[in-house]
Parts: sequence; structure tokens; C-alpha cells
Amino acid sequence: AQSVTQLGSHVSVSEGALVLLRCNYSSSVPPYLFWYVQYPNQGLQLLLKYTTGATLVKGINGFEAEFKKSETSFHLTKPSAHMSDAAEYFCAVTSSGGSNYKLTFGKGTLLTVNP
Amino acid sequence: DTGVSQDPRHKITKRGQNVTFRCDPISEHNRLYWYRQTLGQGPEFLTYFQNEAQLEKSRLLSDRFSAERPKGSFSTLEIQRTEQGDSAMYLCASSTDSYNSPLHFGNGTRLTVT
Repeated sequence: AQSVTQLGSHVSVSEGALVLLRCNYSSSVPPYLFWYVQYPNQGLQLLLKYTTGATLVKGINGFEAEFKKSETSFHLTKPSAHMSDAAEYFCAVTSSGGSNYKLTFGKGTLLTVNP
Repeated sequence: DTGVSQDPRHKITKRGQNVTFRCDPISEHNRLYWYRQTLGQGPEFLTYFQNEAQLEKSRLLSDRFSAERPKGSFSTLEIQRTEQGDSAMYLCASSTDSYNSPLHFGNGTRLTVT
């Protein structure tokens, strides 16, 4: 079984500050890991994904995440927050053993950016 | 690429009524997925189609739920005898069957059962 824990249901930062959203996963097989963003009343948009290879993954809108197997973590960061980054962020995991269809999501972290 | 389209965006119904949602995937995508998202939670997997074949159903999908994808293109999700606990956002996603192909999500249908 797989699971995802997102520490902090709500994170608030000032515009221009570092964004750090935490994600820890549990998986009995090598995981594929994803970060999605959801704006109000919209679906989910893929920010970035880790499957194999380089553990530091760069995504859209200046976000990046690092896969740390020893810590079972996949934290999302952005050096400088922008007002447009305000949204809900979901970390997800699936098994590397087959199709990536059955994503297991965390409960989400709502990011607020203050002017 | 016009994205995944879902209809309606919002649906309010009374308990006990039947509702049907539609999803049009990205045209070249042969995989289609339904997820459900309740307030304060991440999306949960419901079911998955490869072309017209429904390959997996979650235990969350009770007998009141049925999904179809008759010609391997659009899909419908029907809920019979709705209950208040069915109130949620129903998300559709699609992808190709290439390894590591990411899921593209629609904007969802928000169901409110009164």
C-alpha cells in the first residue's frame, strides 16, 4: 500500500519569500512522485514529476522538488513566491511497477501569498 | 489539444435522484480516469478505462455508481439514488498509454446533494 503525508494543511508566505511545501511518502516499491497544483474551482495541473534518474526535478512556474529516498521525502520548493502561486498543492505517489494511473494523493497544502 | 472537458460544472440534486456526468478526454488519449475529491481531501481513484474497457474499479465505487466509455472516446459517470455523502467534486483525467504519460485533469463536476 502507498500513502502520502503532506505536513501543514496551510502555509503562508510573503511575496518574494521561499516556498517550501513538505511531502513524505510510503511505498513498498520504488515510487513515482508527482506534485499537482489546483486553483479554485479548477482541475489539477501537473507541476513536476519524478520517475527515475536525476533526483532534483524542475517543473513549471519555477518550482522544483528533490527526491530523497533515505528520508522518503519529495518536498516542493520555489525560491521566490509570487502572488499567482496562491493555490492548493497536492503531492501524489504511484507504483513504478506499472501504469501511473492509480495515483494516491495527499490531503493537500493551501498556499497563501501575502503582499 | 483542447484539454479534458467535463459537463456540467455544477450539479445540485435532491437525495434519491439520479445524476449523470460526462467527460470528453483529450482526443488522442486512450486512457480515461475518474477520481473523486471531497472537501479538505486529495482526489481518490474511482475507476479507469483503457479505450472502451473498464479495467479497474475502486471499492469506493458502490453499486450505485456506474461508468461507461462506449466507443472509447467520451465517458459518463452515473450515480443512482444519490445520497448526501456523494457530494463531492468528480474529476476526470486522461492520458496516453505511453510509459510515464502524465494525467491531464479536467475542471471537474461539483455535485451537491441536498
